[in-house]
Amino acid sequence: EAQVTQNPRYLITVTGKKLTVTCSQNMNHEYMSWYRQDPGLGLRQIYYSMNVEVTDKGDVPEGYKVSRKEKRNFPLILESPSPNQTSLYFCASSLYKNTEAFFGQGTRLTVV
Amino acid sequence: AQSVTQPDIHITVSEGASLELRCNYSYGATPYLFWYVQSPGQGLQLLLKYFSGDTLVQGIKGFEAEFKRSQSSFNLRKPSVHWSDAAEYFCAVGVPGGNTPLVFGKGTRLSVIA
Repeated sequence: EAQVTQNPRYLITVTGKKLTVTCSQNMNHEYMSWYRQDPGLGLRQIYYSMNVEVTDKGDVPEGYKVSRKEKRNFPLILESPSPNQTSLYFCASSLYKNTEAFFGQGTRLTVV
Repeated sequence: AQSVTQPDIHITVSEGASLELRCNYSYGATPYLFWYVQSPGQGLQLLLKYFSGDTLVQGIKGFEAEFKRSQSSFNLRKPSVHWSDAAEYFCAVGVPGGNTPLVFGKGTRLSVIA
């Protein structure tokens, strides 16, 4: 089954404690991205990757890092989380940058 | 750059009534157009897409959308809403052959009442 898998689904952490949210896709897609979803703001892109070892900033990259060492995986790293990063995060993949995106189930992150 | 507007933040309809969710885009040519649905606690699921051709597009769950170039719109419709359709709906725009990612609208929340 074609899918994008994110883990964990829920995460509560404390300010400053590094965390990683994993994302994996099984569709051999080149393009992967991370979004955060906040009430009233819709989906905002954090980072994206056009292919292995090719990543770039989206609209709201501050406080986040990503890596793309393999085509299928695109982890999101918060080196020093802060409460304003409390949000719902989605990983997505697509064949190309402008084609239909397939989304993971989301990770609800709370930073206290 | 392309942009997309969903004018309605929240819509409430009665079960069995018809539904139309509005989506307007800004782009100089014909874009790629998408509608996604997000049920509570879930990720976004693609309902339908338009790339070219027939301007009336059929999707899953009984939804359809019509591309109107003259109005720069891609409105989502359903003739009879079911309670399970209560969700958030997102319109998205992509640039054919372009190097920009999909742009999403801010979403329309649909409530269904008995």
